[in-house]
Amino acid sequence: KAGVTQTPRYLIKTRGQQVTLSCSPISGHRSVSWYQQTPGQGLQFLFEYFSETQRNKGNFPGRFSGRQFSNSRSEMNVSTLELGDSALYLCASSDLQGGTEAFFGQGTRLTVV
Amino acid sequence: SQQGEEDPQALSIQEGENATMNCSYKTSINNLQWYRQNSGRGLVHLILIRSNEREKHSGRLRVTLDTSKKSSSLLITASRAADTASYFCATPRKGGADGLTFGKGTHLIIQP
Repeated sequence: KAGVTQTPRYLIKTRGQQVTLSCSPISGHRSVSWYQQTPGQGLQFLFEYFSETQRNKGNFPGRFSGRQFSNSRSEMNVSTLELGDSALYLCASSDLQGGTEAFFGQGTRLTVV
Repeated sequence: SQQGEEDPQALSIQEGENATMNCSYKTSINNLQWYRQNSGRGLVHLILIRSNEREKHSGRLRVTLDTSKKSSSLLITASRAADTASYFCATPRKGGADGLTFGKGTHLIIQP
């Protein structure tokens, strides 16, 4: 079974731009969660999707958004990028609605300059 | 805010020794998980322990859970250089579902 795939692996953007990150979950998994990891704040929950519905959202500004498609693939978008958005963005999938073993992708390293 | 807090923040031991990491959490949970992360890459699930379990083993890993103290420990026995990584405990958000809340992690270094 293929693992969780995140694209792209690395990204450099300029302040003010927007970015879209993609996550393909393990086949059959319907729950996809996104996390931001920074040295200062650690791993922070962004949002969770289950069957195309956002079920929970972390404490991030509205510039951070996401969606899930009918094939369970998910995207997250960050608009009006700030330097502080530089981070490793991790996506995880699970076969139930959260709270169980999560399988993580390798992450997308976003650098905002 | 962080639900789990790992202790210690960093740990350096000799290969072959045992490593123990602790995690404390704040609210009631129905399970707790431990993950490993190698050098800024994705997290790898190690073990999940449910609230009605007190101890669980997986290979060289032993996890305990004390719900009365809201704490868990991860023991890695006979450590190897390949165990060098950051270890995180994670609890379900909202007590049961919809994503995980992670602690800040313990950075473990195994000296050869």
